[in-house]
Amino acid sequence: EPEVTQTPSHQVTQMGQEVILRCVPISNHLYFYWYRQILGQKVEFLVSFYNNEISEKSEIFDDQFSVERPDGSNFTLKIRSTKLEDSAMYFCASQPRQGRGNQPQHFGDGTRLSIL
Amino acid sequence: GQQLNQSPQSMFIQEGEDVSMNCTSSSIFNTWLWYKQDPGEGPVLLIALYKAGELTSNGRLTAQFGITRKDSFLNISASIPSDVGIYFCAGRADSSYKLIFGSGTRLLVRP
Repeated sequence: EPEVTQTPSHQVTQMGQEVILRCVPISNHLYFYWYRQILGQKVEFLVSFYNNEISEKSEIFDDQFSVERPDGSNFTLKIRSTKLEDSAMYFCASQPRQGRGNQPQHFGDGTRLSIL
Repeated sequence: GQQLNQSPQSMFIQEGEDVSMNCTSSSIFNTWLWYKQDPGEGPVLLIALYKAGELTSNGRLTAQFGITRKDSFLNISASIPSDVGIYFCAGRADSSYKLIFGSGTRLLVRP
């Protein structure tokens, strides 16, 4: 069965450094998402992306965050200047389409981001 | 903002017992999803519900989309040790792309 794949599985970065998290969504999917999960807490929405632009974002997704789909397969999340509180699991998700006959979002296994 | 209340927070049951967990919301959702998360992995979809009143099964799992569109439950029958994990409900409202997640139910099964 097709999967969402994320790399790296674990990223350790010094505070203030830039980090890029990578995702390869399922190939025929049209909607892409980033979520994060701070240790022991629930999954929180960050941003959704459709037709090469952000369609919705949360309060967490401030100017330090950006997303990009540089080619037909990758979907990336960049954090420009990381803070300690950015330490979390970051999950990418993809979805075939919206609207009637909704399809669910499928999640990758996540990237654990540790900020030192 | 929108929040989901998921209960119970944790359950420790004997193998073979049935389990029930639920989520409630103060606002209406048009989609309810149930995911399971194992340590170090991403949420894996168990059941998706798209219509008020819908009752759907996936093996030993059964979930329902509440008539009011503000709640959903998940039942697991005849639990087995591999059911151990954290179960999350997630809802999606009209005119929004994002999923709102519950806080999770941690299930432990005693062999």
